[in-house]
This record gives sequence, structure tokens and C-alpha cells, in this order.
Amino acid sequence: GQQVMQIPQYQHVQEGEDFTTYCNSSTTLSNIQWYKQRPGGHPVFLIQLVKSGEVKKQKRLTFQFGEAKKNSSLHITATQTTDVGTYFCAGRGGATNKLIFGTGTLLAVQP
Amino acid sequence: NAGVTQTPKFRVLKTGQSMTLLCAQDMNHEYMYWYRQDPGMGLRLIHYSVGEGTTAKGEVPDGYNVSRLKKQNFLLGLESAAPSQTSVYFCASSSGWIRETQYFGPGTRLLVL
Repeated sequence: GQQVMQIPQYQHVQEGEDFTTYCNSSTTLSNIQWYKQRPGGHPVFLIQLVKSGEVKKQKRLTFQFGEAKKNSSLHITATQTTDVGTYFCAGRGGATNKLIFGTGTLLAVQP
Repeated sequence: NAGVTQTPKFRVLKTGQSMTLLCAQDMNHEYMYWYRQDPGMGLRLIHYSVGEGTTAKGEVPDGYNVSRLKKQNFLLGLESAAPSQTSVYFCASSSGWIRETQYFGPGTRLLVL
């Protein structure tokens, strides 16, 4: 079945450093969503990408959807302590078009 | 609007006991979902519903049952709890299937001893 993998599983950065998480799907996706989950909290929607090669920005966050629509990335410029949490990608694809969540990347930011 | 609410917030069960988790949403969403979250495994879909009176299996449905008797409520049942069902359970809802955002509840932490 469809699988969505994320790397790295965990990243620890100093405040002000950049951070990137990568998402890879075993099948072509119709769209991809990104969610953020603060420690002890629930996933909260960040953004959705639909088009091949699409790039979207939200302040210090840059999201990309690959040309083949099988991978995506989230880049955070100059991390802040408020960026701490787990970032999940979630892709739709396959015969049922169900939303499959990636394994998540836990970001720790040291002040 | 409360959004998506879940009860209870935390529960401890003994192996073999049963329980029902309740999810309620006040956004008039057609679609509702139950996920479980385990360390290193992300969110896995247990069951989902595309409308009142309908339910369908997700990735990991074994050991769980669901019901959607009212549009705003989605119940998740464990008939005979097992330690492998120790997890954090999240309910979510959305207005559509393909491109719509999923809104998550605060989660229920379940410990099965």
C-alpha cells in the first residue's frame, strides 16, 4: 500500500539555525498537506500544495512539492523556540485517495 | 465554536475491558476520522466516515468498531482492550475528501494494562 516516509525523525538545532524536513511517497500524490503538532497538543494544519513544482511561503516557512508529485519539503529559516514540535506531511494518492500521514519530524530548538 | 472535542481526555483500562471514545464536532462536517498515534509511527487511520450512518475501515481497523448515528458525533469502541491498543487517539473532521483541511480534536490518551 501507499507509504509516506519523512526524514529526519528528529533534529536538534540552535535557535537561529535553519531546518529542513523531507517527505517521500511511494506513489504519486494528488496533493500534500503539512501539519504541526506542539508537544502534548494535536496536529494543526499549516498548508496544502497541489501543483507539480509548487512553492509556498508562510513567513519563515517554505514548502515545496516535487515535480513528480512524490516528494515534498518544509524549510524553516532562522528557527525560533516557538517552532518546536513535530511536523507531519500527509499525502493523498493511490486508488482510494486517502490521506496518509508521514512518520513526522520532531524539531527541538535550543535557545 | 468548540471545533472538535473528545471525551475522555485520559483513561486507564485493564486488558479485556471495553470502552467507547466520543468525538463531537460543531462545524457541520460530513467527514470524520479516528487516528491512533504511536511513537515513530505518525498518525494511522483506524476508521472513517463519509457521512451520517456510514463508516469505513482505515489502515489499522482490527480491534475497533465505530458508529456515526448523528452527523456531529463519531464513536470509537474497543470491545476487549489489549495492551497493544495503548496509544493516543485523535479524532478529526473535514468538510470534504480531496482537498479539505482536517481539524483535529485534543486527543485521548489510553493506557491498557
